[in-house]
Amino acid sequence: EVQLVESGGRLVQPGGSLRLSCAASGFTFDDYALHWVRQVPGKGLEWVSGISWNSVDIGYADSVKGRFTISRDNARRSLFLQMNSLRPEDTALYYCAKDYSLLLTAPAYWGQGTLVTVSS
Amino acid sequence: IVMTQTPLSLSITPGQPASISCKSSQSLLHGDGNTYLYWYVHKPGRSPQLLIYEVSRRFSGVPDRFSGSGSGTDFTLEISRVEAEDVGLYYCMQAVSVKTFGQGTRLEIK
Repeated sequence: EVQLVESGGRLVQPGGSLRLSCAASGFTFDDYALHWVRQVPGKGLEWVSGISWNSVDIGYADSVKGRFTISRDNARRSLFLQMNSLRPEDTALYYCAKDYSLLLTAPAYWGQGTLVTVSS
Repeated sequence: IVMTQTPLSLSITPGQPASISCKSSQSLLHGDGNTYLYWYVHKPGRSPQLLIYEVSRRFSGVPDRFSGSGSGTDFTLEISRVEAEDVGLYYCMQAVSVKTFGQGTRLEIK
């Protein structure tokens, strides 16, 4: 069974930094691309970033480009999102998701999410 | 690419069909010949689930009452016979460029 467990979400001040982690199990980790997708409370879904199986193909939403960095450690079966220069509008539930392909296509399986709150 | 869903809400009697439209501001046909259009459902208290990938391919475990169709910029998700468990928010998403979701369509049961 695919399991994705996010961690690292908390309250942080505007301008601050945060690193989210996602621990994966139940599948061959380095056979799939991975994503971060967020949902502002009461709003819709927004794709944040994605990374291919070998970290060669990486993409970001315009809203986070230059501030967020995605990375993965295949040996540790983990996905990360380094979030810098955080803004109140980054407040959201952040989901880690596994692609259905090794290439960067689309999320297929999602974790339960970790809540990031950016507020003074 | 802007994704526009209609309607924004649906109220359907169990056993009746439902249809959701999704229109993209640009063609979703990629140079590799694939069309990267997806459908998800976000049920209350659960994480989003993939229903349909690449326009019409049903994802693993998805009941065959769900089907997707379309091409270019116009796409449709159809549920042949709505069940109570289908309540939730339905999203389309494109992946031909930086991925973007539609606003979501809320499905309720009458």
